[in-house]
Amino acid sequence: DGGITQSPKYLFRKEGQNVTLSCEQNLNHDAMYWYRQDPGQGLRLIYYSQIVNDFQKGDIAEGYSVSREKKESFPLTVTSAQKNPTAFYLCASSIARDSAYEQYFGPGTRLTVT
Amino acid sequence: GQSLEQPSEVTAVEGAIVQINCTYQTSGFYGLSWYQQHDGGAPTFLSYNALDGLEETGRFSSFLSRSDSYGYLLLQELQMKDSASYFCAVRDSQAGTALIFGKGTTLSVSS
Repeated sequence: DGGITQSPKYLFRKEGQNVTLSCEQNLNHDAMYWYRQDPGQGLRLIYYSQIVNDFQKGDIAEGYSVSREKKESFPLTVTSAQKNPTAFYLCASSIARDSAYEQYFGPGTRLTVT
Repeated sequence: GQSLEQPSEVTAVEGAIVQINCTYQTSGFYGLSWYQQHDGGAPTFLSYNALDGLEETGRFSSFLSRSDSYGYLLLQELQMKDSASYFCAVRDSQAGTALIFGKGTTLSVSS
């Protein structure tokens, strides 16, 4: 079955630690995205990548980093510089840059930092 | 910058029709998408309008007026399972190939 996987579903970390969230897709999509969702809020764009070895900052990139070394993988690192890292993180992909209107989402990772 | 406005909550009863409005302000508009998200789940794509007019997909329809910077999602024959959050999202030239999402409308359907 084709789709997007994110692991783990729940993640707990201590303040000051970096943590990497996994996102893998087997849809053969070129574009991938990371969003953050806080309670009662919409999705805010952190980073996106149109092709391998290329990525762009979104609206709230500060305190986050990404890599896109393989087409199917787009991991997100939440660094200790992120002031409020506790949130629901969603990864998505689209066929290509021109198909961004239709994105396929993974199940999300709920990160809690204490 | 970009901004999208949609109501925060809407309530309705089973079998009814509900309309969720979305107004947007962008610098280089390409189109308006709609997504559904059940509590704790992943958003799923519902529809996309690039041109003015109505797009129908089963019980759901979406409308766009580019001149008014306005669109809506129409849900007919409401069912309990339609209780969810609905997000409008725009793709515009400033955001590159990414989408900018509204804050979402929580729809509660009661029996």
